[in-house]
Amino acid sequence: AQSVAQPEDQVNVAEGNPLTVKCTYSVSGNPYLFWYVQYPNRGLQFLLKYITGDNLVKGSYGFEAEFNKSQTSFHLKKPSALVSDSALYFCAVSDPYNTDKLIFGTGTRLQVFP
Amino acid sequence: DSGVTQTPKHLITATGQRVTLRCSPRSGDLSVYWYQQSLDQGLQFLIQYYNGEERAKGNILERFSAQQFPDLHSELNLSSLELGDSALYFCASSPRGDYQPQHFGDGTRLSIL
Repeated sequence: AQSVAQPEDQVNVAEGNPLTVKCTYSVSGNPYLFWYVQYPNRGLQFLLKYITGDNLVKGSYGFEAEFNKSQTSFHLKKPSALVSDSALYFCAVSDPYNTDKLIFGTGTRLQVFP
Repeated sequence: DSGVTQTPKHLITATGQRVTLRCSPRSGDLSVYWYQQSLDQGLQFLIQYYNGEERAKGNILERFSAQQFPDLHSELNLSSLELGDSALYFCASSPRGDYQPQHFGDGTRLSIL
């Protein structure tokens, strides 16, 4: 079965430091991967996606993600964290049997401290 | 603003009651998805409609039902409500085509007293 794992419930980082939010996946066939962010009392917002091509994908708000096929990972990164990046981050993979449908991870709470 | 509109923003009701949540997708989007988000269960996919037809079903209880109308808006009906149904209910929409990102509304917070 297709699945996504986010091994960290929470990530803490100081403002200005680089951040990484981890995601690993298990799918049959080619993986199509997404990152979303959720701010308090808001719906999820799309950040970026990997379909094919370059392993480093750039997205909104300075975020990027690195696709690593051998490690089945799609970690979200940002070179310099902002306090305003504090939010809940979700990794998702497209269901190969219904490419519209996304399978979400459990989410990682990012806390950026001033 | 995602372009997806959900009403109402908040609902407070009692056990045993029935409620209807409404979603208007982004203009042009044919797919509508419903999700439930709670502290203990995380983000759970409930159901997907595409251009009026049910496309996929997830962890949706028999007490819950949904439909998508000809104008593409969707409604999620929750009946015989239980305390455990208290959650945030999100609607999302996406355009036609493979691997399109979903765009989420800001949700309806349902509180069962």
